[in-house]
Amino acid sequence: EVQLVESGGGLVQPGRSLKLSCAASGFTFSNYYMAWVRQAPTKGLEWVASITNSGGSTYYRDSVKGRFTISRDNAKSTLYLQMDSLRSEDTATYYCTREAPRYWGQGVMVTVSS
Amino acid sequence: DIVMTQSPSSLAVSAGDKVTMSCKSSQSLFSSEYQGNYLSWFQQKPGQSPKLLISLASTRETGVPDRFIGSGSGTDFTLTINSVQAEDLAVYYCEQYYSYPTFGAGTKLELK
Repeated sequence: EVQLVESGGGLVQPGRSLKLSCAASGFTFSNYYMAWVRQAPTKGLEWVASITNSGGSTYYRDSVKGRFTISRDNAKSTLYLQMDSLRSEDTATYYCTREAPRYWGQGVMVTVSS
Repeated sequence: DIVMTQSPSSLAVSAGDKVTMSCKSSQSLFSSEYQGNYLSWFQQKPGQSPKLLISLASTRETGVPDRFIGSGSGTDFTLTINSVQAEDLAVYYCEQYYSYPTFGAGTKLELK
């Protein structure tokens, strides 16, 4: 069974940084593209970033390019999202997902507020 | 970006009803290379993460009841729930993964 467990969320001030982690199990992590998807309170789903199975290529939505960095450690079966220069509009639940098709973790809340 | 348009935005149903919801994409999701449509359906209940119901437009996930049926090709897709149950009350999202992923705004299934 695919299991994805996120951690690292919390309350952070605008302009500060936060790093999310996602521990994966139940499948061969290094075989799959992974991604982060977010959902602002009472809103819909929004893809944030993806990474290839080797980690050699990464992709971002325009609004987070240059501020967020997705990475992975295949030896630890762990996905990361480094979030810098956070803005209030980044407030959301962040889901770790395995791609194509998409399986979801339980999500972690990130609140950007002073 | 591929725009995904779901309709209706909400649907009031009674137990036992047959429900149909639509998802339209701004460009074709059919891959001739892999002979499939890169379209998924998810169910999200309050306070929970989304759950994959259907991938490749019509392939039901293991364990998903057979009352959930995905259909369509190209740009027009449909999720049908035969004989809706109380446990099916949720928001349903479609997603295209033909290119950078995008989601529809969702269809909320409510009790009449």
